[in-house]
Amino acid sequence: DIVMTQSPDSLAVSLGERATINCKSTQSVLFSSNNKNYLAWYQQKPGQPPKLLIYWASTRESGVPDRFSGSGSGTDFTLTISSLQAEDVALYYCQQYYGTPYSFGQGTKVEIK
Amino acid sequence: QVQLVQSGAEVKKPGSSVKVSCKASGGTFSNYAVSWVRQAPGQGLEWMGGLIPIFGTANYAQKFQGRVTITADESTSTAYMEVSSLRSEDTAVYYCAREIDTSGWSGALDYWGQGTLVTVSS
Repeated sequence: DIVMTQSPDSLAVSLGERATINCKSTQSVLFSSNNKNYLAWYQQKPGQPPKLLIYWASTRESGVPDRFSGSGSGTDFTLTISSLQAEDVALYYCQQYYGTPYSFGQGTKVEIK
Repeated sequence: QVQLVQSGAEVKKPGSSVKVSCKASGGTFSNYAVSWVRQAPGQGLEWMGGLIPIFGTANYAQKFQGRVTITADESTSTAYMEVSSLRSEDTAVYYCAREIDTSGWSGALDYWGQGTLVTVSS
């Protein structure tokens, strides 16, 4: 099974500053036949289900602000919030869908400094 | 607009079973894989399994094999997830979620139900 590990577990960033979350998988989630990384990022606020932000490692879901971006390939991925807004305070999870069982990172809590 | 609406909160005794439903509306149901994901209080997300209704065969995480049953009723666009032999550690919010495309077990989860809290307590 693929294990996903995020870092850091939490971070505090000033409003308007950049937030960076890392995600590492124990095996590559890059499918060579289509050159796609089977990696998604979700945002979860208290009392709400997760919301898809990014899929294929770097494709922004419709309606997601462009301050959110994803990068990386193979086993190492990054979610960047370019200019943190108050409404971005949440938990963020990466997830691999390269194969079942799907797996999630442990989550990263983003707060305002 | 696709919506997934789950059944309401449940309180169960240890050793009993619970069945949670997830009714889809606003889009095609049968061709998309539907996953079940749980979240224990204050914990992260855990994929339990799922199925593609048109194929009918469920796919389970090994941890839940034998104790979780996932089914679907195409006629009502409803997916179900049943957990048997409940224990306190099964106390969690259970979510259903649909994949973003119809390629089957290779898509991010773009539509989520609102979650169903299952509390296991004597």
